[in-house]
Amino acid sequence: QTVVTQEPSFSVSPGGTVTLTCGLSSGSVSTTYYPSWFQQTPGQAPRTLIYSTNTRSSGVPDRFSGSILGNKAALTITAAQADDESDYYCALYMGSGIWVFGGGTKLTVL
Amino acid sequence: EVQLVESGGGLVQPGGSLRLSCAASGFTFSSYAMSWVRQAPGKGLEWVSGIPASGDTTYYADSVKGRFTISRDNSENTLYLQMNSLRAEDTAVYYCAKDILTGGYWGQGTLVTVSS
Repeated sequence: QTVVTQEPSFSVSPGGTVTLTCGLSSGSVSTTYYPSWFQQTPGQAPRTLIYSTNTRSSGVPDRFSGSILGNKAALTITAAQADDESDYYCALYMGSGIWVFGGGTKLTVL
Repeated sequence: EVQLVESGGGLVQPGGSLRLSCAASGFTFSSYAMSWVRQAPGKGLEWVSGIPASGDTTYYADSVKGRFTISRDNSENTLYLQMNSLRAEDTAVYYCAKDILTGGYWGQGTLVTVSS
């Protein structure tokens, strides 16, 4: 069973930079997994930030960027703002139409 | 403007059935794959099922395989999820999502509660 791993929680200071990661319990994440990143605030539907590793969805500020760092996918947020405080999820494409989500990272801005 | 509006959620007893719908507008529905993703109360996102633009095949998470059926009506711009043999652990908000691979939009979700 493939498990997608994310940090359970992270904190960043206002104006700071944070990098969240998305890994596999076994193996390395590459662009062939088309990593996607989603932001969700409590009570709201998820919003797509990044897809296909590093493509920003429409309307997403360029403070958000995606990449592959080592053997993981990464979401970097620069110049963090108070309203970036959210849950962040990654998803990886496993082939054959199957997606697997990570457990999510709760980001605190303080 | 892309809009995805889910409906059909509600309270159902264990072992029961429910059919969710997702009405799409603002894009060429027949050109995009679609997915259902759920979120149990206080938990993370779980991909449930997907269907390509053509609707000629379907994909499921192991947790729902054999119990849920995804389908689409491209003439009505609507995505469906037929859920049978429902269990307490299927309790969740169910979201439909447009083509995760190319930066999907998400609906607001519909709540399914499985309880006696």
